[in-house]
Amino acid sequence: DAGVTQSPTHLIKTRGQQVTLRCSPISGHKSVSWYQQVLGQGPQFIFQYYEKEERGRGNFPDRFSARQFPNYSSELNVNALLLGDSALYLCASSLTGASYEQYFGPGTRLTVT
Amino acid sequence: QKEVEQNSGPLSVPEGAIASLNCTYSDRVSQSFFWYRQYSGKSPELIMSIYSNGDKEDGRFTAQLNKASQYVSLLIRDSQPSDSATYLCAVNFGNEKLTFGTGTRLTIIP
Repeated sequence: DAGVTQSPTHLIKTRGQQVTLRCSPISGHKSVSWYQQVLGQGPQFIFQYYEKEERGRGNFPDRFSARQFPNYSSELNVNALLLGDSALYLCASSLTGASYEQYFGPGTRLTVT
Repeated sequence: QKEVEQNSGPLSVPEGAIASLNCTYSDRVSQSFFWYRQYSGKSPELIMSIYSNGDKEDGRFTAQLNKASQYVSLLIRDSQPSDSATYLCAVNFGNEKLTFGTGTRLTIIP
């Protein structure tokens, strides 16, 4: 079975630009969560979606938004990019929610210059 | 503020020995606990989950949970050089997310 897939793998953007990151969960999984990981830190929670509804939002500004589609894939959008948005963005897939096993995709490495 | 704490290391262990990784968390109302392994430049890989007090074994890995003392540990037996990685402890505090520690960097010395 295919695992969690994310695209693109790497991305370089300029300050002020907008970016869209994509994620496809494991087949049968209905929950997708997004995390940001900067070097030397653990992943920080951004959003959780379950059955196309937002179930949770972390302490991130409104420049960050996300959505989940009927096929359970998801997009994370970041507007007005700042240098501090440079990080590894991780998508995690689970059957129902965060209390159960979450499986991470390979991540998208975003560099903002 | 619900927090997860880990010793950042580095923790150096001889090949073939037992590596012991520890994690403490701040809230007694915690439902589920996870250990992830992360190689440099890669994404976290789930290696163990534990939901109730006691030990859970999977191959060379054993997770230990003590809710009264608010700690969870991971033992790696017969450590191999391929076990060298950062190990992340994650806790679900009964909400919509996982809260991660900063990770412990483990180095297995041949």
